[in-house]
Amino acid sequence: NAGVTQTPKFRILKIGQSMTLQCTQDMNHNYMYWYRQDPGMGLKLIYYSVGAGITDKGEVPNGYNVSRSTTEDFPLRLELAAPSQTSVYFCASSYSQEFYNEQFFGPGTRLTVL
Amino acid sequence: GENVEQHPSTLSVQEGDSAVIKCTYSDSASNYFPWYKQELGKGPQLIIDIRSNVGEKKDQRIAVTLNKTAKHFSLHITETQPEDSAVYFCAAFSSGGSYIPTFGRGTSLIVHP
Repeated sequence: NAGVTQTPKFRILKIGQSMTLQCTQDMNHNYMYWYRQDPGMGLKLIYYSVGAGITDKGEVPNGYNVSRSTTEDFPLRLELAAPSQTSVYFCASSYSQEFYNEQFFGPGTRLTVL
Repeated sequence: GENVEQHPSTLSVQEGDSAVIKCTYSDSASNYFPWYKQELGKGPQLIIDIRSNVGEKKDQRIAVTLNKTAKHFSLHITETQPEDSAVYFCAAFSSGGSYIPTFGRGTSLIVHP
């Protein structure tokens, strides 16, 4: 199993550009999450999904959108990039939220908005 | 919502010493508390976790203790080694509502050879 994979690893965007961060997991996990990590801060939840076709907002959803058309994929969309979105983005997945909670994280995408 | 405080933000120890990182949480409905290790340039990885029906859990050199009354939990690493150097995050999952995690800000552990 490859686990959780993310692409790209690095990206530089100009203000106002858009992009999609890709996330795929091959563990047949129902739950998937997107976090952002800013220097000296913990992980902040952006969006999460409990299964295909179902998504919900986390703590910091503004400026982002997600979709979950399949169990494996959970892309994160930035429509109008802003400097405040400069961060490292992590995707994670877990079998369930309550009964087996271990979250498996991808390697991250480092995004810079100039 | 849940609030998780983690201390210290930086911890420097000599190889072989013990290290303790503490977290406090605010939501009494939280019932799952994992600890993650993040090495430079990588995603966090679960190293140990504890549920609210248990007071202590140990895995070789790593242990976690939970005090539900005081709402705090701690990570203990004994006989530290240079490869333990990393950023450690605690988290709390609340069983009330949407059951999403709240993370602490992280502790940078440096183990000097």
